[in-house]
Amino acid sequence: AQRVTQPEKLLSVFKGAPVELKCNYSYSGSPELFWYVQYSRQRLQLLLRHISRESIKGFTADLNKGETSFHLKKPFAQEEDSAMYYCALRVGNQFYFGTGTSLTVIP
Amino acid sequence: NAGVTQTPKFRILKIGQSMTLQCTQDMNHNYMYWYRQDPGMGLKLIYYSVGAGITDKGEVPNGYNVSRSTTEDFPLRLELAAPSQTSVYFCASSSSGGATGELFFGEGSRLTVL
Repeated sequence: AQRVTQPEKLLSVFKGAPVELKCNYSYSGSPELFWYVQYSRQRLQLLLRHISRESIKGFTADLNKGETSFHLKKPFAQEEDSAMYYCALRVGNQFYFGTGTSLTVIP
Repeated sequence: NAGVTQTPKFRILKIGQSMTLQCTQDMNHNYMYWYRQDPGMGLKLIYYSVGAGITDKGEVPNGYNVSRSTTEDFPLRLELAAPSQTSVYFCASSSSGGATGELFFGEGSRLTVL
C-alpha cells in the first residue's frame, strides 16, 4: 500500500540557518511526489513537484528512489517560510498526504 | 475568480443529524476531491470525481455520500453524524486529475459532532 511519512511534526530553525523537512514514501510503482504548503490563514497550495526539478522560494526537493525519500531543503530559512508543509504522493487520480510538518523560523 | 468555495466554514452537529457540505469551483475543473483532516493526521481522501456523473470512493468513504450533477458542484453528505466524523473537511479540484500535481483547495470546513 502507498504511504507518505513525515517524521517531524514540529521543526524550529533560526533565520538564516539551513532547513530540511523529511519525507519518505512507500510505493511499488514510479512515484510522483509533491510538496504542498499552508501559510497562516491561507489555503493549502502547491509548493513544488519533483518532476519539474524546480526551485520555488528557494526550496528544492530531490527524489531519491534508493532511499524512497523526497526531502525539502532550503539553504537559508526566512521568517516567511514559517508554515505547515505536506508531502504528497500521486497514484493515478489520488493523492496521498503525509501528516505534515509545522516549520517555525525563529528571528 | 473565487477558485474553490466551501460552505459552511464551521458547523456543530448532534449525533444522528445529517448535513451537506457544499463545494463549488469556477475553474471548469473536471476532477474534484473531498478530504478530511483529523488532528495530527494527514489528509485522507473520502471521495473523488473525475467528471459530472462519475464518483469514486477514496480511503475513508464510510458514513459519507457524494454526487456530481454538474462540473462546478461536488457536495458531501453526512447522513447520520457520528463523533468520529469530527474533523476539518477540504474540497479540492484539478484540471487533469492532478497530472501537473496541482490541486486547488478550498478554505476548509470545521465540523464538530457532539
